[in-house]
Amino acid sequence: AQRVTQPEKLLSVFKGAPVELKCNYSYSGSPELFWYVQYSRQRLQLLLRHISRESIKGFTADLNKGETSFHLKKPFAQEEDSAMYYCALQETSGSRLTFGEGTQLTVNP
Amino acid sequence: GAGVSQSPSNKVTEKGKDVELRCDPISGHTALYWYRQSLGQGLEFLIYFQGNSAPDKSGLPSDRFSAERTGGSVSTLTIQRTQQEDSAVYLCASSSRTRWEQFFGPGTRLTVL
Repeated sequence: AQRVTQPEKLLSVFKGAPVELKCNYSYSGSPELFWYVQYSRQRLQLLLRHISRESIKGFTADLNKGETSFHLKKPFAQEEDSAMYYCALQETSGSRLTFGEGTQLTVNP
Repeated sequence: GAGVSQSPSNKVTEKGKDVELRCDPISGHTALYWYRQSLGQGLEFLIYFQGNSAPDKSGLPSDRFSAERTGGSVSTLTIQRTQQEDSAVYLCASSSRTRWEQFFGPGTRLTVL
C-alpha cells in the first residue's frame, strides 16, 4: 500500500532563510506527487504538482525516484509562507490522494 | 466561479445521533472526494465518486458511514450512531476530467459530545 511520510511535524525558520520540507513516499509504481498548503483559516489548496515542474510562490520540489522523495524547497522564506504543508501521492490521475501528516511551517520575522 | 461549498460549517451533535454533511462540487466536475482531517490521524481518504462508476468506498472506517451523490452533482455523507471518535473536520473536494487538481471545500467541523 502507498504511504507518505513527512518526518517533521513542526519547522521554524527565520525570514530570508532557506527552507526545506521533507517528504518521502513508498509506492511500487510511478505515482503523481503533490504539495498542498493550508494557510490559517483558509481551505486546503494545491501548491504544486511534480508533473508541471513549475515554481509557485518561489517553492520548487524535485521528484527523486531513487530516494523516493519529493522535498519542497524555497531559498528565501517569507513570513506569509507560514502555513501547514501536506505532501500527497496519487496512484493515477483522478484517483484518491494519500496525504502525509503535514508539516507546520513557521517563518519568524 | 464558485468553488466547492460544504454545509453546515459546524455541527455539534450528541453521541448516538445521525448526521448528514453536504457537499456542492464545482459545476461540471465529474469527480468528488470525501476526506477526514483529525488530530493524530492527519488527512484520511473516505470515499470517491467518478461519473457514473461505482464509488470507491475503501476509506470508509465503518458501516456507520455512507455517502451518495445525486444526479452526478451534490453529495451527502451520512454518519449513523455517531461516536466521539467521529469528531473531525470533513473535507470535500472535486476535480474535472481535463485537469485532475482536486479543489477543496472549507470543510464541516463535526463535534460529537
